[in-house]
Amino acid sequence: DQQVKQNSPSLSVQEGRISILNCDYTNSMFDYFLWYKKYPAEGPTFLISISSIKDKNEDGRFTVFLNKSAKHLSLHIVPSQPGDSAVYFCAASDRLGGSQGNLIFGKGTKLSVKP
Amino acid sequence: DAGVTQSPTHLIKTRGQQVTLRCSPISGHKSVSWYQQVLGQGPQFIFQYYEKEERGRGNFPDRFSARQFPNYSSELNVNALLLGDSALYLCASSLAGGMNYGYTFGSGTRLTVV
Repeated sequence: DQQVKQNSPSLSVQEGRISILNCDYTNSMFDYFLWYKKYPAEGPTFLISISSIKDKNEDGRFTVFLNKSAKHLSLHIVPSQPGDSAVYFCAASDRLGGSQGNLIFGKGTKLSVKP
Repeated sequence: DAGVTQSPTHLIKTRGQQVTLRCSPISGHKSVSWYQQVLGQGPQFIFQYYEKEERGRGNFPDRFSARQFPNYSSELNVNALLLGDSALYLCASSLAGGMNYGYTFGSGTRLTVV
């Protein structure tokens, strides 16, 4: 059973428009959430994170929203650029539970931004 | 500044063999974690080491083992390889063991078991 779910395997967006990537989780003990971007033949690159005490975190073109009651988070990219084309992974952690090193990843969403 | 370096980048092994993968963390980083990523899935946690001690272990069989050296580099060993062990093995380093510092991943070692 997957604790972190990314139900959209792929997403195609026009350059300049908004990209919205979604992630759902089942474990209510998760208290920290991260988004990673991965290009082929490279390791995942950290993008942005959010603690469960917040509902929004913004960094430049990237904003992550957290809805704890729905156990849902989303990553917004505005405006989308062709260089954003990559696989995006949502990950969660239960820090207070002592599993600080244990990130639970979703399966990823492949984003394609078309010029 | 060198990032997280992993060696080798690619490896082909036969079923039943043993393999050792290596990871050098970013200078100053004391925590190393290992993840396995099979095709079409997200990375799955195998081990975390901090200050040369095992801090966490994922749901992997005892065929998987790891260690961290005094210089904070790490090795992941897999014995009695199975076809299902074919995957991208990722190493990640961080300053400490907690999430606050974030993780930096290496480019991984692609292991193919035939």
